[in-house]
Amino acid sequence: GESVGLHLPTLSVQEGDNSIINCAYSNSASDYFIWYKQESGKGPQFIIDIRSNMDKRQGQRVTVLLNKTVKHLSLQIAATQPGDSAVYFCAERPGSQGNLIFGKGTKLSVKP
Amino acid sequence: DAGVIQSPRHEVTEMGQEVTLRCKPISGHNSLFWYRQTMMRGLELLIYFNNNVPIDDSGMPEDRFSAKMPNASFSTLKIQPSEPRDSAVYFCASSLAAGVSGGYTFGSGTRLTVV
Repeated sequence: GESVGLHLPTLSVQEGDNSIINCAYSNSASDYFIWYKQESGKGPQFIIDIRSNMDKRQGQRVTVLLNKTVKHLSLQIAATQPGDSAVYFCAERPGSQGNLIFGKGTKLSVKP
Repeated sequence: DAGVIQSPRHEVTEMGQEVTLRCKPISGHNSLFWYRQTMMRGLELLIYFNNNVPIDDSGMPEDRFSAKMPNASFSTLKIQPSEPRDSAVYFCASSLAAGVSGGYTFGSGTRLTVV
């Protein structure tokens, strides 16, 4: 029978291309955001974070953009590699207490 | 640094049995979080602790679930009695302090199957 479950958006890119993964967050009071990468069988792994007083932050091959006006977060991966294939989650922290609320995730598939 | 350590990695149990999941946070981290991941609902926060004190347990599904943190280096999540719908991957995460930026480090998870 048909399995009902979380249907993850999938982004398929060619190796070497740039990838852009988007996320809409829910709480306008959120002050901190994180992108995580989760490979099969592993826990989420921190990639990059950004505070609400910034609109852009760069890391090694990754850039996070924050648009508070429309409550949108994006992760850009430069020169995508096969090892980047994973599910990517954005997470927001709705206040200073500390708990994170995760988005549903996007599956990135890199074709060699 | 060994990271966040969870045990067991896999647990298969029969419906009605008690299940205990264990977590050792990173030394020096003051906040600890328990998450559950399923295909249907994604990653859900169950409960989190600051300095060993439970702060928010609103995500705990029902009274069958309980969590403790008797000291800064150990936490348990208990399900009693377990049901098939509890089958999921349970993650523990820790952070330096709840209000401080920086990554929340996750463990490798415990895959629970209740038959």
